Amino acid sequence: EAQVTQNPRYLITVTGKKLTVTCSQNMNHEYMSWYRQDPGLGLRQIYYSMNVEVTDKGDVPEGYKVSRKEKRNFPLILESPSPNQTSLYFCASSSIFQETQYFGPGTRLLVL
Amino acid sequence: KQEVTQIPAALSVPEGENLVLNCSFTDSAIYNLQWFRQDPGKGLTSLLLIQSSQREQTSGRLNASLDKSSGRSTLYIAASQPGDSATYLCAVRPYTGANSKLTFGKGITLSVRP
Repeated sequence: EAQVTQNPRYLITVTGKKLTVTCSQNMNHEYMSWYRQDPGLGLRQIYYSMNVEVTDKGDVPEGYKVSRKEKRNFPLILESPSPNQTSLYFCASSSIFQETQYFGPGTRLLVL
Repeated sequence: KQEVTQIPAALSVPEGENLVLNCSFTDSAIYNLQWFRQDPGKGLTSLLLIQSSQREQTSGRLNASLDKSSGRSTLYIAASQPGDSATYLCAVRPYTGANSKLTFGKGITLSVRP
């Protein structure tokens, strides 16, 4: 089954404790992206990747890092989480030929 | 800067009604427009994708139209059912650039009453 998976689905952490949210897709998609969803602000892009070893900033990259060492994986790293990073995070992927974007189930993060 | 607007923010209809959800965007230079469905606490499911050269797309009871020149898209749901209750988001992809970033509207929360 074609899918985008994220782990963990729920995470409670404390300020400053480094964490990684994993994202994996099994569709051989070139393009992957991270979004955060906040009430009243909608979905905003954090980082994206056009292919392996090619990443770039989206609209709200501050406080986040990403890497793309393999085509299927695109982890989101919060080196020193802060309470304003409490949010619902989505990973997405698409083929450069097909265009439809597929989203993961989301990771709900609470930073205390 | 592209802005996507969906009004109203919430809608409640009786089962069986045909309904139209609206989406407007400020910059008509788009590559494509996508409609998504989001159930509470869940991810986004793609419903329909319309390329900028197309006028409409259909899938089952859903029909999405695109008028690029006026900056509008509509999602038509025929014979609505309680299972259609969810938040519907539209998103546009800009014409230029390698980034397939989507600019989202804030969504319309639909409630279909039995």
